Amino acid sequence: DAGVIQSPRHEVTEMGQEVTLRCKPISGHNSLFWYRQTMMRGLELLIYFNNNVPIDDSGMPEDRFSAKMPNASFSTLKIQPSEPRDSAVYFCASSSGFNEQFFGPGTRLTVL
Amino acid sequence: TQLLEQSPQFLSIQEGENLTVYCNSSSVFSSLQWYRQEPGEGPVLLVTVVTGGEVKKLKRLTFQFGDARKDSSLHITAAQPGDTGLYLCAGDDSSYKLIFGSGTRLLVRP
Repeated sequence: DAGVIQSPRHEVTEMGQEVTLRCKPISGHNSLFWYRQTMMRGLELLIYFNNNVPIDDSGMPEDRFSAKMPNASFSTLKIQPSEPRDSAVYFCASSSGFNEQFFGPGTRLTVL
Repeated sequence: TQLLEQSPQFLSIQEGENLTVYCNSSSVFSSLQWYRQEPGEGPVLLVTVVTGGEVKKLKRLTFQFGDARKDSSLHITAAQPGDTGLYLCAGDDSSYKLIFGSGTRLLVRP
């Protein structure tokens, strides 16, 4: 198995632009998590999906952030409009329900 | 709010030295996980401890879960440059959610 796949690996954009981050979880995993990691705040859970349904989005910072999981093999995290304070590394992780989470390589987002 | 505090935040040591990293909370967890994250990559699970007082060994790494299941430690013997990375503890609160600690950034100098 290729593990969790994220794209792009790096994204540089200007303030106000829309950013879409993509994730393909490990086949057969029914849980998917989006995290944000910064030096100041560490690893923060943004949203959790179970069986493609959003269960907990309390970590989503504000309405500018949205996430979808249209099927078991694909999820997106969208920021519109993006702001410099959104600069961070965004991780997608998947799990089969036994709490070991498998993380993707992350997307490093820089908003100028 | 459940919090996991890790100490120290940063550690720079010489190859061959021993070190211990601590993960503390006022909350009880059903299990606790340790992850290592290398630059440019996502965290990778090292071990899960479940039973209070449990000790697990992974080569030169020794993990211990506190008797009350509120704290944990990671001890590395004879550290090597390949051990360099960010070490994260994560508590399982019996829901879907893992509570991650703030991390310990380790640098092992050759």
